Formats: sequence, C-alpha cells, structure tokens
Amino acid sequence: DTAVSQTPKYLVTQMGNDKSIKCEQNLGHDTMYWYKQDSKKFLKIMFSYNNKELIINETVPNRFSPKSPDKAHLNLHINSLELGDSAVYFCASSPRQYNEKLFFGSGTQLSVL
Amino acid sequence: DQQVKQNSPSLSVQEGRISILNCDYTNSMFDYFLWYKKYPAEGPTFLISISSIKDKNEDGRFTVFLNKSAKHLSLHIVPSQPGDSAVYFCAASYSGGGADGLTFGKGTHLIIQP
Repeated sequence: DTAVSQTPKYLVTQMGNDKSIKCEQNLGHDTMYWYKQDSKKFLKIMFSYNNKELIINETVPNRFSPKSPDKAHLNLHINSLELGDSAVYFCASSPRQYNEKLFFGSGTQLSVL
Repeated sequence: DQQVKQNSPSLSVQEGRISILNCDYTNSMFDYFLWYKKYPAEGPTFLISISSIKDKNEDGRFTVFLNKSAKHLSLHIVPSQPGDSAVYFCAASYSGGGADGLTFGKGTHLIIQP
C-alpha cells in the first residue's frame, strides 16, 4: 500500500544500454515528477506531468523520455546510457499542479559502468 | 548557482537538546519555504512549511523561522529524539511556480547522539 512506488530500487548497467524506471502512485494525485539527485546531493527536477501532459521539461538530454500511460503512472526511459547518468532518481507526486508538498518514492540508484 | 544553501553538511546534537538547522537563499522571488526529511534508502518526506507572510510556523516539536530581510530560515527541533536522525532538505519556491519551481538545498545530515 505504498503511496508512491518505483522500481527497480537498484539498476546497474553498461554504457550505451537502454533502461526504464517505473513509477506508480495510488494517492489520486494529478501531477507526477521525476527528480535526479546527483553526486553533489542536489535534488533537481527533470520532468513533471499534469493529467498526462508534460508541463515542464528542464534542460535534460533528449535521451531521457518520460512516458505516462495514465494519471497514476509516470515511467522514465533512458536511451544510450552514459557514465554521467549515474545518480539516484526519485519519482514524486503532488495533489495538483503548483503544489509544493511532494510525495516521493524511495528512489532508484542507477549505476552506469 | 546555488539559490538555496545549507552550509552545514552535518550536525550532531545530543538527545533531548535543541537541533537548529539553517538555510539561506538568494532569490528574492522565493515566497514559500519547505523542509523535507529523508532517511537512508527512502525518499524525502514533507515535514513543515512556511509562507513569506509569516515569520514562524510551529508543528509539535518542529518550528520553522523565517527572516526575510536576511534571506534566512531555520528549523528548530525540540527536544531532539533518536528518530530525528536523518538528512534534512530545505526547499523554496515562488508564487505560481509550484513544484516546477521548487529549488532544494544540498541537505544537512542531523545525527542525534544518545
């Protein structure tokens, strides 16, 4: 009954591979997000989706693509993985757009070798 | 270009004492501030927030103080308990920005000593 769940928790892969991270929320929230926590520990927003529409796309490489099959899911696809993509990726949701009280998933530790 | 700064990477406090975590910001447009708490291998969880129209907000053992002129906020935890050991993130946003404009600090690792 986890509110925001993401899988896998750990992902180890080789450079050049394509991988996906899945996220689901059972809170009935309208907006979902992907955040990246880099080696310097900063949490930075990558994407947000409101009612299945992309409403913000920060300057991330187009190798990263969010996909939302429905309001409860926001998956992250990453093509041609690079060493610099190694980080912790957090999925989050909020009741509506422009609501700062985010509910986070437990994170996916991505290691690119 | 750090708009939200938490200059103490870690803080050690004895159980029962007051913990004070500090946060500074540079963007004058920020008008809403939040603290998130994060345990290892978990995502951050919302703890407490404050709007710029207030200078204090209290929730149980947690109080956030905002000094707009100094562009400084602090989180006070009284009394500190072992379960408070975690990383605390300060975050800020501006009107209409919502989570799209949520800027996080690097976090402060609070360690409560028994």
